[in-house]
Amino acid sequence: QKEVEQNSGPLSVPEGAIASLNCTYSDRGSQSFFWYRQYSGKSPELIMFIYSNGDKEDGRFTAQLNKASQYVSLLIRDSQPSDSATYLCAVNINDYKLSFGAGTTVTVRA
Amino acid sequence: NAGVMQNPRHLVRRRGQEARLRCSPMKGHSHVYWYRQLPEEGLKFMVYLQKENIIDESGMPKERFSAEFPKEGPSILRIQQVVRGDSAAYFCASSDRERPYEQYFGPGTRLTVT
Repeated sequence: QKEVEQNSGPLSVPEGAIASLNCTYSDRGSQSFFWYRQYSGKSPELIMFIYSNGDKEDGRFTAQLNKASQYVSLLIRDSQPSDSATYLCAVNINDYKLSFGAGTTVTVRA
Repeated sequence: NAGVMQNPRHLVRRRGQEARLRCSPMKGHSHVYWYRQLPEEGLKFMVYLQKENIIDESGMPKERFSAEFPKEGPSILRIQQVVRGDSAAYFCASSDRERPYEQYFGPGTRLTVT
C-alpha cells in the first residue's frame, strides 16, 4: 500500500465550480498534512497545511482533515482557469520527512 | 530574492559525466532537503541536510550520488557518472528549525542525460 494516495484524475471542472481533491494516507502517526500546487514545468508551491481535525480555510481554499479516517481533502471554491495545475498531497512520516502522493491534475474549463 | 534558489535551472550532461546541482535555502532557513521527480511520478525524498551535517540520506542511491551543505555556500547534490535514468527534475526545499515539515521548494534543476 502506498503511503499517500490521491484520486488519479484528471479532474475537469467548469469555471466557478468547486473542485474537490481527496487524499488518504497509511501512517496513523502522521500529524502534519500539506497541499502543494505544481504548474506544468514548475516547482511545487505550498498552498495549505493543516494539523488538526476539521476544516481550515484560506481564501478560496479549504483543507479538511479526518485523522480517524486517515483522510485529507482540498476544496477549491469558485475555480478559476489559473487553478489549473497538479495538486500534490504530502504527509509527514517523521519530524522532517514528507511523503508525497502522485498528484491530481485539475483543469478548469473557461 | 528571499526564496529558495537553485542553479542551474537546466543541465545537460552526457552519460558518464558529472552533474553538480546547487541550492541556497530561503533566508532564515537552516535545513535543506533534496527531492527527485521523475516524469509522471511523485516527488521522492532523497536527503536531508543541516549545515555540515547529513541528517538522513535514506532516499539517495548508495552509489554515484552524494550531497553536502558546507558551513559557507550552497548545498550541493553531486551525481557522478550520470546515466540516462538520472534524467529528472531535482528540487531543493528548505525549512526553519522549528517546523522542519513545512518545506518550501526552489525552482528545480532539470537534468537531461544524453
